[in-house]
Amino acid sequence: EDQVTQSPEALRLQEGESSSLNCSYTVSGLRGLFWYRQDPGKGPEFLFTLYSAGEEKEKERLKATLTKKESFLHITAPKPEDSATYLCAVQANSGYSTLTFGKGTMLLVSP
Amino acid sequence: DGGITQSPKYLFRKEGQNVTLSCEQNLNHDAMYWYRQDPGQGLRLIYYSQIVNDFQKGDIAEGYSVSREKKESFPLTVTSAQKNPTAFYLCASGGVAKNIQYFGAGTRLSVL
Repeated sequence: EDQVTQSPEALRLQEGESSSLNCSYTVSGLRGLFWYRQDPGKGPEFLFTLYSAGEEKEKERLKATLTKKESFLHITAPKPEDSATYLCAVQANSGYSTLTFGKGTMLLVSP
Repeated sequence: DGGITQSPKYLFRKEGQNVTLSCEQNLNHDAMYWYRQDPGQGLRLIYYSQIVNDFQKGDIAEGYSVSREKKESFPLTVTSAQKNPTAFYLCASGGVAKNIQYFGAGTRLSVL
């Protein structure tokens, strides 16, 4: 069974204080790992897809990296508008496979 | 604008009542999905459909039903058999190849 564990559950940062969110996964062959951002009361917004170990992707203050067992979402010099819940999901490499989501990390950036 | 439209935004269900949540997409995606989100929980898959007139059960399909008569539409019915329906329901669509899923704004269902 595919599993995704995100840590920490919640993270509070000061504006400008860089940090990382972790997504550990167990999957029978990884087809893709996905990061989403979700604001309260809204649907998740797609951020990145990573397909192989060593791959990195960046968008503004966010950078996602991937190893064979985990992914990190690095947030550099965060701003209050980066406050949201960040969700990680994996897709197994077996036929038509759906996504398995973690519970998310709730990030709060204070000014 | 291209996107996924869910309606209504808020919905209230009485005991013994079936309710239907609407999901429409104009992204020309083949696959569509329904998830349920509870506080502090990850998204759990209810049903998904890869093509018109075909759909599969997800992890928590009991008490729910779907149809896929048109590529653009994938309505979800929460039946009276679902004893704990209060949750935030999310619809998504995606291309089959890369499986990047794009989400609607959600419907919050509560029980009266």
